[in-house]
Amino acid sequence: DTEVTQTPKHLVMGMTNKKSLKCEQHMGHRAMYWYKQKAKKPPELMFVYSYEKLSINESVPSRFSPECPNSSLLNLHLHALQPEDSALYLCASSHRTSGNFYNEQFFGPGTRLTVL
Amino acid sequence: AQKVTQAQTEISVVEKEDVTLDCVYETRDTTYYLFWYKQPPSGELVFLIRRNSFDEQNEISGRYSWNFQKSTSSFNFTITASQVVDSAVYFCALSEAGDDKIIFGKGTRLHILP
Repeated sequence: DTEVTQTPKHLVMGMTNKKSLKCEQHMGHRAMYWYKQKAKKPPELMFVYSYEKLSINESVPSRFSPECPNSSLLNLHLHALQPEDSALYLCASSHRTSGNFYNEQFFGPGTRLTVL
Repeated sequence: AQKVTQAQTEISVVEKEDVTLDCVYETRDTTYYLFWYKQPPSGELVFLIRRNSFDEQNEISGRYSWNFQKSTSSFNFTITASQVVDSAVYFCALSEAGDDKIIFGKGTRLHILP
């Protein structure tokens, strides 16, 4: 199973709402990532979890709150978002190995978020 | 500093033509990894290939081939006999050893016209 799943596929929310995005993988990967992608732009890294611990936060506003409940699950909690946060949110995972060897990231289909 | 340049913003070719997507990278590390991803209109990024800096062999996979040249810091991608299903945005990306981050190029939007 080489699949990363994300729910929901689409989400529309108001600026006062609280919602969560969910990502799941069953490939035994120990690194998981959240990206934000605006139209006609490359993905921008938001957060990295390595062995269920947050290892990178790319200065993301606190209205985005990541959570990694276990090695297969990654959530992104959203609160008080702004219209400019509307984007495609992509989750990815990769096999974590020791040393310098780097493994490719596998991406989910994304959640298309609209903030009204 | 790391950088990936995809100078071609958009390319249109007629089906069955060959097309090459250019990628030039910058890094100070001697160990690094290069990637190509495909993003069709559905939005999901599909991993195509990883190439390690110590392996300069070119690779062919069906109609896809990749030319890695360290001397020119390039990692170009060629699609032979293009098909309409190849229409997508293609991203070249770079990661340095020990770094969790992938640096993406800006992408090349490829249109295959029937």
